[in-house]
Amino acid sequence: AQKVTQAQTEISVVEKEDVTLDCVYETRDTTYYLFWYKQPPSGELVFLIRRNSFDEQNEISGRYSWNFQKSTSSFNFTITASQVVDSAVYFCALTNPTGGNMLTFGGGTRLMVKP
Amino acid sequence: EAGVTQFPSHSVIEKGQTVTLRCDPISGHDNLYWYRRVMGKEIKFLLHFVKESKQDESGMPNNRFLAERTGGTYSTLKVQPAELEDSGVYFCASSQGERNNEQFFGPGTRLTVL
Repeated sequence: AQKVTQAQTEISVVEKEDVTLDCVYETRDTTYYLFWYKQPPSGELVFLIRRNSFDEQNEISGRYSWNFQKSTSSFNFTITASQVVDSAVYFCALTNPTGGNMLTFGGGTRLMVKP
Repeated sequence: EAGVTQFPSHSVIEKGQTVTLRCDPISGHDNLYWYRRVMGKEIKFLLHFVKESKQDESGMPNNRFLAERTGGTYSTLKVQPAELEDSGVYFCASSQGERNNEQFFGPGTRLTVL
């Protein structure tokens, strides 16, 4: 069985602070994919990143960075110099090639960035 | 290019009534998924279509839920009869043919059963 845990249900920061959203996963598969999605107030889920289990390189995209640590089964997401527009619910998710393509989601972390 | 669209955006019905949710995937996407998030819980997988065929419906909660994708284009999810615990947000997503390709999500339908 697969499981994704986002222990932080809600985080509040002041604009320009850095913030890290934690994601811990469980899977018996050796090959799997990890995702982050953003859900802004408008409601849709916006894809941010996909990472496969064989690629542990950290990734940076502008103010966003992701830290994949297979040894601790974690895939954490950091926003540098947060902005009010970053306010949203962020979901971490997991899928595996042999189990179809269905996503297993964490419970989400609501990030509030205050001006 | 239009994204995944869902209709209606909100639906309020009474227990025992029937509701049909619609999802239009991105044109050319063979894979279509339904998920839902009930209050305070995770987003859960319901089922997966490849074209018009149900590839995996292991997440469907019970036989009050019926999903169809006639012609392999848009999909409908019917709840009949609706119960209070069906309230939540129903998401649809689509992707191209490759496994583990990015799933594009629609804005969801918020269903409230009174």
